[in-house]
Amino acid sequence: NAGVTQTPKFRILKIGQSMTLQCTQDMNHNYMYWYRQDPGMGLKLIYYSVGAGITDKGEVPNGYNVSRSTTEDFPLRLELAAPSQTSVYFCASSSNTRLAGVRQFFGPGTRLTVL
Amino acid sequence: ELKVEQNPLFLSMQEGKNYTIYCNYSTTSDRLYWYRQDPGKSLESLFVLLSNGAVKQEGRLMASLDTKARLSTLHITAAVHDLSATYFCAVNMEYGNKLVFGAGTILRVKS
Repeated sequence: NAGVTQTPKFRILKIGQSMTLQCTQDMNHNYMYWYRQDPGMGLKLIYYSVGAGITDKGEVPNGYNVSRSTTEDFPLRLELAAPSQTSVYFCASSSNTRLAGVRQFFGPGTRLTVL
Repeated sequence: ELKVEQNPLFLSMQEGKNYTIYCNYSTTSDRLYWYRQDPGKSLESLFVLLSNGAVKQEGRLMASLDTKARLSTLHITAAVHDLSATYFCAVNMEYGNKLVFGAGTILRVKS
């Protein structure tokens, strides 16, 4: 089991460029999430999904888009990158079980800098 | 709106000492999670607390949940340097599958 994988690990973008952050999980989890973590801060939810074809906004969705065409993949799209999107992005997945609730498993993160 | 507050936000402690990190939340929930994050790394699940009075222990860390007080504690016993990290609590909203995270407590254990 690879768990949750994210690519790329690092990326530098110029203002106005676009990119897609990839996230894949191999645990057959229904629920997937995208967070951003600014330096010295906690996690803010960008988007989440409860299953293939179903996505919803989190706390800070502006400037981002997502899609969920399969159970395994949950890419995050940044359109027209801005310096305010400089952050570390974490993807997570979970199921919902009696023993573990919605314990989320996190990917290694993508460190994005917009200049 | 569910709010989660941790305190302290920064904790510097000597090796061998005991201390407690507190996690308060604002609305009804009986599902709370603790995570650890090392600098530059991802989040690692530590504890899952799913009922009032739940207590979990792993090594020098013990977590508990009091749903009536809307409070969870993470107690550190005889701290060692390897426990230096940032600790987050996260609360599951009563209905749904989202977690709301606290701001994190940066723990530094000094030799």
